[in-house]
Amino acid sequence: NAGVTQTPKFQVLKTGQSMTLQCAQDMNHNSMYWYRQDPGMGLRLIYYSASEGTTDKGEVPNGYNVSRLNKREFSLRLESAAPSQTSVYFCASRGTGKEQYFGPGTRLTVT
Amino acid sequence: GDSVTQMEGPVTLSEEAFLTINCTYTATGYPSLFWYVQYPGEGLQLLLKATKADDKGSNKGFEATYRKETTSFHLEKGSVQVSDSAVYFCALQANSGYALNFGKGTSLLVTP
Repeated sequence: NAGVTQTPKFQVLKTGQSMTLQCAQDMNHNSMYWYRQDPGMGLRLIYYSASEGTTDKGEVPNGYNVSRLNKREFSLRLESAAPSQTSVYFCASRGTGKEQYFGPGTRLTVT
Repeated sequence: GDSVTQMEGPVTLSEEAFLTINCTYTATGYPSLFWYVQYPGEGLQLLLKATKADDKGSNKGFEATYRKETTSFHLEKGSVQVSDSAVYFCALQANSGYALNFGKGTSLLVTP
């Protein structure tokens, strides 16, 4: 039981490049989330998916797109990366309780 | 809107000292409250939770009590260890919402 997994762990992009961050959970959870973590800012919600087939914007969605591929997988795409998107990205999932379970994170640097 | 305010860090303590990290919240109704811990280079782990007023969450020697009258959920530990050095996040989940609202985090360093 791996919980929430994320790939890649580290990534360096040049401005304007695109990439997709992958997230998968094996806990049969309905809800999945993408957050970004910046120094002194805590975690901010980018997008979430309350159930398979639905996605909604969070607090900071600009510059990102998401896909809920199936119940297990929720990907985050940067179409044209900008230095302001340098951050640590966390995926999380939630079952029937209120608590969320987090992946190990992807550390992204955009130069 | 809903929000969480927690004390600024960093907090530096000697091993075996008493720890308090303050957390207050603003929310309508009765949200669920959480403390998460993040060790260096890792993701967030759920430390403890409380889902209704006067509930006490506890885990690994840490405790926090959901105080509706003071809208607080302060984290405490009687005797910290070097291995407790981490960043601690207070968070709330509104009854009607899907996402967690996080505080900005409090960094704790415990020295031998």
